[in-house]
Amino acid sequence: EVQLVESGGGLVQPGGSLRLSCAASGFTFSSYWMSWVRQAPGKGLEWVANIKQDGSEKYYVDSVKGRFTISRDNAKNSLYLQMNSLRAEDTAVYYCAREEETSWFDPWGQGTLVTVSS
Amino acid sequence: SYVLTQPPSVSVAPGKTARITCGGNNIGSKSVHWYQQKPGQAPVLVIYYDSDRPSGIPERFSGSNSGNTATLTISRVEAGDEADYYCQVWDSSSDHPNYVFGTGTKVTVL
Repeated sequence: EVQLVESGGGLVQPGGSLRLSCAASGFTFSSYWMSWVRQAPGKGLEWVANIKQDGSEKYYVDSVKGRFTISRDNAKNSLYLQMNSLRAEDTAVYYCAREEETSWFDPWGQGTLVTVSS
Repeated sequence: SYVLTQPPSVSVAPGKTARITCGGNNIGSKSVHWYQQKPGQAPVLVIYYDSDRPSGIPERFSGSNSGNTATLTISRVEAGDEADYYCQVWDSSSDHPNYVFGTGTKVTVL
């Protein structure tokens, strides 16, 4: 069964840092682009960042450029999101998702909640 | 940046047909994908490449895309179809890959 499981969310103060992880199983992780997508409370979906199979290409939404870093460890079948200089507007559920044909997302993990508040 | 506009809500009686629109500039030239999200759950892909259904998605779900509007159609609506629905495209107009989601539509089954 294809599965993605996120972890690492929690409460952090503005300006703080957090590292999210996503453990993949049930498929050849190293063959897929992977993404992080977030959803603020009561709001819609927003793509955050993605990374190529070998990590050689990474892209970010403008609002997180210079603050967030996406990475992966294919040997551990894991995806990461290092989040620095966090702001209140980064508060959201963060989902990892597998990209299909660099076009759509399937499946998604269950999400991990990040709350930025003092 | 590319914008996708959906109606905030659609109400439909059980057994009837729900149509959810997704508007975007010349969206017919792009591939549109649709997700269903139930409260407290992760999104689930229900339509990809405008009108293809992943395995396990009922035939009641169908999609179309032309001109400036893409449409997700849910036939013979059931109570279990009550959820938020999002359209999504890959926007190649910028200098780097950019995935764009619609504003979302809440489907209420009366």
